[in-house]
Amino acid sequence: QQQVKQSPQSLIVQKGGISIINCAYENTAFDYFPWYQQFPGKGPALLIAIRPDVSEKKEGRFTISFNKSAKQFSLHIMDSQPGDSATYFCAANYATYKYIFGTGTRLKVLA
Amino acid sequence: GAVVSQHPSRVICKSGTSVKIECRSLDFQATTMFWYRQFPKQSLMLMATSNEGSKATYEQGVEKDKFLINHASLTLSTLTVTSAHPEDSSFYICSARGDGPYEQYFGPGTRLTVT
Repeated sequence: QQQVKQSPQSLIVQKGGISIINCAYENTAFDYFPWYQQFPGKGPALLIAIRPDVSEKKEGRFTISFNKSAKQFSLHIMDSQPGDSATYFCAANYATYKYIFGTGTRLKVLA
Repeated sequence: GAVVSQHPSRVICKSGTSVKIECRSLDFQATTMFWYRQFPKQSLMLMATSNEGSKATYEQGVEKDKFLINHASLTLSTLTVTSAHPEDSSFYICSARGDGPYEQYFGPGTRLTVT
């Protein structure tokens, strides 16, 4: 139950396209779902996050869609840019300040 | 604001030696910090929770005698890898708890290579 399954493992998108990364979970006690962006050799940086009482959250080109009944959530990157090329991790909060992370998606945006 | 630094960014050490990694919150006080380990192309795994002025709490399967954590002040936590072996080679990342209920700020990570 303490798992967050993330797909795809890698993703190649053309510049200007939409990047979509999906995550699924089992534990309904998770109550906060952040997405992190990590560049090579750097620590993760919070990109956007959502609570389960909200179905969608948008910040600029980044949108989280949340389906509570299906226990799935996804990150959409609109108008993807080469500078978005990074590894993206979804996560779920399972205890105070404790997170379980997905396995990561390596995104490459072609110029 | 909310910047977390780590030092060193990279370290190479010989098998059997000990290595200390520092994690600092630069512009805020962090009563709680976290240490993660990340293997190449893999996810982050929480190793331990570091609380200022008290003993660290280790996750299941993490050897507390091997990974010594000290949180001596509100802005500094250290991770010491004792008697390092090649299998300890990894990317170690710290994070610090923010004010909000879910806020957590990550450091840039330290690449440890044990030869």
